[in-house]
Amino acid sequence: DSGVTQTPKHLITATGQRVTLRCSPRSGDLSVYWYQQSLDQGLQFLIQYYNGEERAKGNILERFSAQQFPDLHSELNLSSLELGDSALYFCASSVALEGTEAFFGQGTRLTVV
Amino acid sequence: GQNIDQPTEMTATEGAIVQINCTYQTSGFNGLFWYQQHAGEAPTFLSYNVLDGLEEKGRFSSFLSRSKGYSYLLLKELQMKDSASYLCAVPPPGGYNKLIFGAGTRLAVHP
Repeated sequence: DSGVTQTPKHLITATGQRVTLRCSPRSGDLSVYWYQQSLDQGLQFLIQYYNGEERAKGNILERFSAQQFPDLHSELNLSSLELGDSALYFCASSVALEGTEAFFGQGTRLTVV
Repeated sequence: GQNIDQPTEMTATEGAIVQINCTYQTSGFNGLFWYQQHAGEAPTFLSYNVLDGLEEKGRFSSFLSRSKGYSYLLLKELQMKDSASYLCAVPPPGGYNKLIFGAGTRLAVHP
């Protein structure tokens, strides 16, 4: 158990809908990252927050947004969902901004039908 | 930008040694990470190299040559449970640890 908690574990929704994925980082970790992993694909970096502020952005679609709350948990919002958004979404956390290992949650498997 | 290359697939025999290579190109260097990922599961941290040389951690060792833009992960005494994808990741300079992962090497260990 990495200490990073993601909910829900599985999510099935229809095209055009909006969903929210939740992540609770390890106790004491200030940095949260979101990654997308499509079937048999690599991990694609989406966005990073540090202590409530956005710090780095990857190829995140405009339909996707995220935030980190004062209690350090984070949410990833996916809207106007398309079939191609079906993927595993991982959250990871680390104690610092850089130079430290990131611990990954078990992921949320999103299926868009 | 960054470019990371790893072999797509490798096979090895239980009890053997396997070396998984990773070459990278980056405008600045801020360390290199190796992660292990079993299918459908979360990646787990294996190693972090920031200086040249070999770092050993039990059955796993990781090597880095910054001048060559090259790293390898060495797995000894292979076990069936080592069948997984091995991901090489490099944070971009000033990138606040946003790990850019390679596509990973899928290792299959056979009896």
